[in-house]
Amino acid sequence: DAGVIQSPRHEVTEMGQEVTLRCKPISGHNSLFWYRQTMMRGLELLIYFNNNVPIDDSGMPEDRFSAKMPNASFSTLKIQPSEPRDSAVYFCASTRWENTEAFFGQGTRLTVV
Amino acid sequence: DAKTTQPTSMDCAEGRAANLPCNHSTISGNEYVYWYRQIHSQGPQYIIHGLKNNETNEMASLIITEDRKSSTLILPHATLRDTAVYYCIVSLYNNDMRFGAGTRLTVKP
Repeated sequence: DAGVIQSPRHEVTEMGQEVTLRCKPISGHNSLFWYRQTMMRGLELLIYFNNNVPIDDSGMPEDRFSAKMPNASFSTLKIQPSEPRDSAVYFCASTRWENTEAFFGQGTRLTVV
Repeated sequence: DAKTTQPTSMDCAEGRAANLPCNHSTISGNEYVYWYRQIHSQGPQYIIHGLKNNETNEMASLIITEDRKSSTLILPHATLRDTAVYYCIVSLYNNDMRFGAGTRLTVKP
């Protein structure tokens, strides 16, 4: 298995533009997590899905952020409009619902200028 | 609010055991203790998890106190490649994985 795949690996965009981050979880996993990591705030849980349904989105910072999981093999995190303070590394992780390990992708480094 | 407390940083000599403590005094009866680590800017990597009993795998051992209010992750023979930030997480059913600040472990030659 190729693991959790995130794209793009790096994204540079101008303030005000829409940004879409993509994640392909490991096949057979039914839980998916989106995290954001910055030096100031560390690793923050934004939202997680179980069986494609959002379970807890309390970590989503603002209405500018939205996440979808249209099927078991794909999820997106969208920021519209983007702001410089959104600059961070965004990680996606997947796991089975039972108590097993979570696998993380390599992350997307987002820079908003 | 963080459910766990860890030292900010620790050093360990290469080849020696690294013992990383974690306090989780408010843990509930059905919450598990998980350990992950993050090497440089890579995605976090799972190490081990447990509920009550001590656990061991090819990477590490997890010692959980009888009252479950604290635990220790043991890397038996630390190498330079074990230099990383180590996170202790308390979670129910692996569905609320919230990371704290972790412990920055530096393994020195």
